[in-house]
Amino acid sequence: GAVVSQHPSRVICKSGTSVKIECRSLDFQATTMFWYRQFPKQSLMLMATSNEGSKATYEQGVEKDKFLINHASLTLSTLTVTSAHPEDSSFYICSAYEASGGGSEQFFGPGTRLTVL
Amino acid sequence: AQSVAQPEDQVNVAEGNPLTVKCTYSVSGNPYLFWYVQYPNRGLQFLLKYITGDNLVKGSYGFEAEFNKSQTSFHLKKPSALVSDSALYFCAVIPKAAGNKLTFGGGTRVLVKP
Repeated sequence: GAVVSQHPSRVICKSGTSVKIECRSLDFQATTMFWYRQFPKQSLMLMATSNEGSKATYEQGVEKDKFLINHASLTLSTLTVTSAHPEDSSFYICSAYEASGGGSEQFFGPGTRLTVL
Repeated sequence: AQSVAQPEDQVNVAEGNPLTVKCTYSVSGNPYLFWYVQYPNRGLQFLLKYITGDNLVKGSYGFEAEFNKSQTSFHLKKPSALVSDSALYFCAVIPKAAGNKLTFGGGTRVLVKP
């Protein structure tokens, strides 16, 4: 099956710094990637839809200047958490949509745990 | 607005017994339906999906789910649970006009005891 990777898997940073998370589709091209946020013992909340070659579409309540998304190629999307604060600590998961998969199947990355001190 | 409900926060079952994880949805039209499993500190793994056709869908690791349009349900089942099935299970839906955006249920934690 299709593989999606994320890097880093875990990051600890100081408050006020920026953190970049990469999401890569390893064996397929993904025109669309999605970024989710998951708090402990809670479900995934869609943050934004990342479209290759165009601006990301953010869900209501998600600050686009806080969470910068760049989808520069068909296999890479990045999420940058700018001026991170402790409340940004969370588990961030990306997924990639493979159009040829039939039925809108998304493949998920392993997640990145962000801890802001 | 579409929504997905998983009424049970946790399901406990003895190893070897049948496992059922419930899911109901509320969307307009005919949705695509999915089940995913998540192990601790990991991303989601795809189990199965319903797009069209036979209401009974068979997926990975011996899991299956039945689409019931009249009850708007898509319950996940496994005839004989394993301890290794202990994980967090998510039901998700894509309304056909939603542009591939998944809406997740709240998740159900499954604990299979030896």
